[in-house]
Amino acid sequence: AQKITQTQPGMFVQEKEAVTLDCTYDTSDPSYGLFWYKQPSSGEMIFLIYQGSYDQQNATEGRYSLNFQKARKSANLVISASQLGDSAMYFCAMREGRSNYKLTFGKGTLLTVNP
Amino acid sequence: DTGVSQDPRHKITKRGQNVTFRCDPISEHNRLYWYRQTLGQGPEFLTYFQNEAQLEKSRLLSDRFSAERPKGSFSTLEIQRTEQGDSAMYLCASSPGAGQGNYGYTFGSGTRLTVV
Repeated sequence: AQKITQTQPGMFVQEKEAVTLDCTYDTSDPSYGLFWYKQPSSGEMIFLIYQGSYDQQNATEGRYSLNFQKARKSANLVISASQLGDSAMYFCAMREGRSNYKLTFGKGTLLTVNP
Repeated sequence: DTGVSQDPRHKITKRGQNVTFRCDPISEHNRLYWYRQTLGQGPEFLTYFQNEAQLEKSRLLSDRFSAERPKGSFSTLEIQRTEQGDSAMYLCASSPGAGQGNYGYTFGSGTRLTVV
């Protein structure tokens, strides 16, 4: 079974609107971390936001927020007030365990922001 | 220090040739990782260093692949006898050690390899 599932190969959003990118995960480890990265066409993976499995509140970083629903094993990324520069690939990733270091990535969602 | 640097950005090579990529991590990060990303996929873990010690290698890393991190600073990834299936983006990342925060790695811009 895939550990990270991103079911939206592509998403479109109008500039200044909000968009939600879906991510579900699969792990039996009670301690894990969930990450979202942005990859523009230049190729660099840019860290956006992190949510720990024991965090009580949903993470927020500026226009990015993570809708963490632990029972459903989902960690959706919400981007508010989309900008043209948000057009990129977005990857959800998970690190399992307290001492683990590897990230497991999903296949990504290509977000296109229309003017 | 402005981030993780990778060199070269692009490499085109003929099948059967050897190639070597370099990664310079953030200087205070003692952990370094290599990932491979093929078209339409997310990055996949290849190998991990803590300081100069290579602590784990993925099954994806065949005998033709070797990685080093002498003196715990920069790292090199060498692919011998390249095959067309090696064509991919090779991403390097670094992170602080344990207890220095849970936040994600800092990735470089990658080396895009094309084997013709």
